[in-house]
Amino acid sequence: AQSVAQPEDQVNVAEGNPLTVKCTYSVSGNPYLFWYVQYPNRGLQFLLKYITGDNLVKGSYGFEAEFNKSQTSFHLKKPSALVSDSALYFCAVRDVMNDMRFGAGTRLTVKP
Amino acid sequence: NAGVTQTPKFRVLKTGQSMTLLCAQDMNHEYMYWYRQDPGMGLRLIHYSVGEGTTAKGEVPDGYNVSRLKKQNFLLGLESAAPSQTSVYFCASSYSRQGRNQPQHFGDGTRLSIL
Repeated sequence: AQSVAQPEDQVNVAEGNPLTVKCTYSVSGNPYLFWYVQYPNRGLQFLLKYITGDNLVKGSYGFEAEFNKSQTSFHLKKPSALVSDSALYFCAVRDVMNDMRFGAGTRLTVKP
Repeated sequence: NAGVTQTPKFRVLKTGQSMTLLCAQDMNHEYMYWYRQDPGMGLRLIHYSVGEGTTAKGEVPDGYNVSRLKKQNFLLGLESAAPSQTSVYFCASSYSRQGRNQPQHFGDGTRLSIL
C-alpha cells in the first residue's frame, strides 16, 4: 500500500526567504502526487500535482514542486515566502490501484 | 458557484445518537468522497462514490454508512455515534476524466463532537 511522510510538523521562514516543505512517498508503481493547502476553518485547496512528464511542476500562488524518483520525494517550494502563505500544507499520493493517502500535514509560518 | 457545500457546520452529539451529514456539489462531478481529519493524522478516506447509486469503502469505513441517491449529493451517516468519531469531516468531489487523478474540491468541513 502507498504511504506518504511529511517529516516536519512545522516550518518557520522569514518573509521574502525561500521556503521548502518536504514530502517523501512510498508506492508500488508510478506515483501520482499532489499538494494541498488548508487555511483555518476551511477545506483543502489544490495547489499542484505530478502525474507524468516534467519533474518540476508549477502550481497556484507561485508554488512549485520537484519530483525526484530516486529519492522518492516531492518537496514543495516557493522562491519568496509571503506572510499570507502561512497555512497547513498536505502532501498526498496514490498509485493506480489505491486511494489517495494524505500526509499528516506541515504547518508553515511565515514571519514578517 | 457554491462548489462543495457541507451541512451542518457544527454539531454536538451524545454517545449512541445518530445523525447524517450532507454534502452537495454543483460542479457536476462524478466522484465524491468523505474524509475525516484528526490532529497529526492528515485526512483519512471513509467512503467514496464513483457515480450515482454507487459507493465503496475507504481506509476507515467502520461505524459509517453512505448513500449517493443523486449525483450532486453524498450523505454520510453515523448510526450510533461514539466518542472516537469526534473529528472534522470533509466532503470532496472531482471529475472522472483520467480517473481519480483529478484534483479534489473540498467543502469547509463539519466539526462533530461526540460526548
